[in-house]
Amino acid sequence: DADVTQTPRNRITKTGKRIMLECSQTKGHDRMYWYRQDPGLGLRLIYYSFDVKDINKGEISDGYSVSRQAQAKFSLSLESAIPNQTALYFCATSDDVITGELFFGEGSRLTVL
Amino acid sequence: GQSLEQPSEVTAVEGAIVQINCTYQTSGFYGLSWYQQHDGGAPTFLSYNALDGLEETGRFSSFLSRSDSYGYLLLQELQMKDSASYFCAVEDSGGYQKVTFGTGTKLQVIP
Repeated sequence: DADVTQTPRNRITKTGKRIMLECSQTKGHDRMYWYRQDPGLGLRLIYYSFDVKDINKGEISDGYSVSRQAQAKFSLSLESAIPNQTALYFCATSDDVITGELFFGEGSRLTVL
Repeated sequence: GQSLEQPSEVTAVEGAIVQINCTYQTSGFYGLSWYQQHDGGAPTFLSYNALDGLEETGRFSSFLSRSDSYGYLLLQELQMKDSASYFCAVEDSGGYQKVTFGTGTKLQVIP
């Protein structure tokens, strides 16, 4: 089983619908992240969390919200999806205070029609 | 804030050496990392430079010059499986250590 698991892996939805992407990890890491990937734009940080009580906005948090339900679970929500939120979303974890190495899930591909 | 720029595409011949550059503007960072991502896959960590200079890990080496705001990833003895996207990234030193990625370079290795 993967150390960082994302569900769903693929989702097609309509404009205005609420969507939740879930991430769970078995690595025991405190830090968790949500990134969005679009062609030519690299990986852009949406939200990050260093523990259950610590949640921070990244560079593109507008239109998104998150919930850290437990150390192992970090969910990303789109309250009212819009077409320009169509992208590949990655969850990542880290616990390396030296290199900050990130461990990524396999990604969730979201299409908003 | 952090801004990291990379060439969008690079093509190189199997068995050759290729260098992927990363120039950055940052408000402070702990070190420069590199990640590899194959099409359809998740990014995976390759290397990290905390100090100026060259770090070698097998066929891959990574370099950092803080005075020049510049780093690069060097891939030697290229193999077809090295065809992938490569991203540089910095870990912010502004208290929260969030990780910001560059725009990515798609490497195509040709026979």
